[in-house]
Amino acid sequence: GAGVSQSPSNKVTEKGKDVELRCDPISGHTALYWYRQSLGQGLEFLIYFQGNSAPDKSGLPSDRFSAERTGGSVSTLTIQRTQQEDSAVYLCASSANRAGANVLTFGAGSRLTVL
Amino acid sequence: KQEVTQIPAALSVPEGENLVLNCSFTDSAIYNLQWFRQDPGKGLTSLLLIQSSQREQTSGRLNASLDKSSGRSTLYIAASQPGDSATYLCAVIRGGATNKLIFGTGTLLAVQP
Repeated sequence: GAGVSQSPSNKVTEKGKDVELRCDPISGHTALYWYRQSLGQGLEFLIYFQGNSAPDKSGLPSDRFSAERTGGSVSTLTIQRTQQEDSAVYLCASSANRAGANVLTFGAGSRLTVL
Repeated sequence: KQEVTQIPAALSVPEGENLVLNCSFTDSAIYNLQWFRQDPGKGLTSLLLIQSSQREQTSGRLNASLDKSSGRSTLYIAASQPGDSATYLCAVIRGGATNKLIFGTGTLLAVQP
């Protein structure tokens, strides 16, 4: 597609429920990132994919968070047993190759609210 | 651990002024540095990317400089306009096996008409 697409744009869920957030990167982009932006906070790195593998998942805050990428394209971020502190905007970004040599393009984000 | 700081945290200027946003980072072993803008409720838009071997990049009214040795970057906005109002973020990338961007704390800019 022309840009990075994320869905849903907004998600309200109850504490304890599982949620899935989806990211469609720009076609052909091999690098994909997930970031989290909490209210009043900076962007927090979660995980980085190169193709379908994740060489850096050091930012995942707990084992309730997981992510996968299939076909070198779509990625899904799953949060199990959501907590109120998981409320944030989850941003996905992709780049054509190594991010060190290419510009990152961000999606509009998925706003998660845990009640 | 790489830490990225931006000063000021917020800035309000009248339309037409030239302004400078500052970004500092603690580890000079970076691969590149990027400046982004974020509009309320929206994702990030990349403005400028400076490779570690470069000193500056220009795009229209924007000019970004990089001084790796001192761990600093500046974003210069000429002849500011109300449409420039947004949060500006800088981010550095170390490269190697870890390609994640480390973001600064952001500067909230308001350009008054």
